[in-house]
Amino acid sequence: GAGVSQSPSNKVTEKGKDVELRCDPISGHTALYWYRQSLGQGLEFLIYFQGNSAPDKSGLPSDRFSAERTGGSVSTLTIQRTQQEDSAVYLCASSRGSRQGEYEQYFGPGTRLTVT
Amino acid sequence: AQSVSQHNHHVILSEAASLELGCNYSYGGTVNLFWYVQYPGQHLQLLLKYFSGDPLVKGIKGFEAEFIKSKFSFNLRKPSVQWSDTAEYFCAVGGSYIPTFGRGTSLIVHP
Repeated sequence: GAGVSQSPSNKVTEKGKDVELRCDPISGHTALYWYRQSLGQGLEFLIYFQGNSAPDKSGLPSDRFSAERTGGSVSTLTIQRTQQEDSAVYLCASSRGSRQGEYEQYFGPGTRLTVT
Repeated sequence: AQSVSQHNHHVILSEAASLELGCNYSYGGTVNLFWYVQYPGQHLQLLLKYFSGDPLVKGIKGFEAEFIKSKFSFNLRKPSVQWSDTAEYFCAVGGSYIPTFGRGTSLIVHP
């Protein structure tokens, strides 16, 4: 079946502009995660959605970052007034559930964001 | 809070050499442990996972990992690496509902 898809694959934007990154999870997966991957920094957790529950936003680095998940499926990560330090690869992952972190995550290809 | 430490950030080996990548975690409860791999230009994908039972876990492509509870470790091993194993390797711990990832280890295998 289809895996996790993300769009766009690459995004170059000017400092101060807003960007929207999209994630399409695997059908039936209730849990959806956004991570940020910077060179040599591993995966930084941003936000987590589980079913219809309120999202866990504890990883969002500032109030310029927000995300939503419509209909329990597609998710959009929005970064307002982008800064150069926002440049990174943004990864989306989904899983069947999240009880005690026991379900493996399926990752998308990522969106490489470059802020000039 | 849970955390993961990967000791080796860059490893360079020749083909047929043995591999061991270190991973230590910190978490007070029952843990689920994972190794993910990211080949050049590809998605992150699961290599192997440990939930319970036999602490020696076998994954794809000849990789294995051993969970040693007393040492809070989950080291990844392969007896003989191949050029195609060149990739970034990430250890992850799932104790709470949000898995925590290590910083990753870049492995380069020379033919």
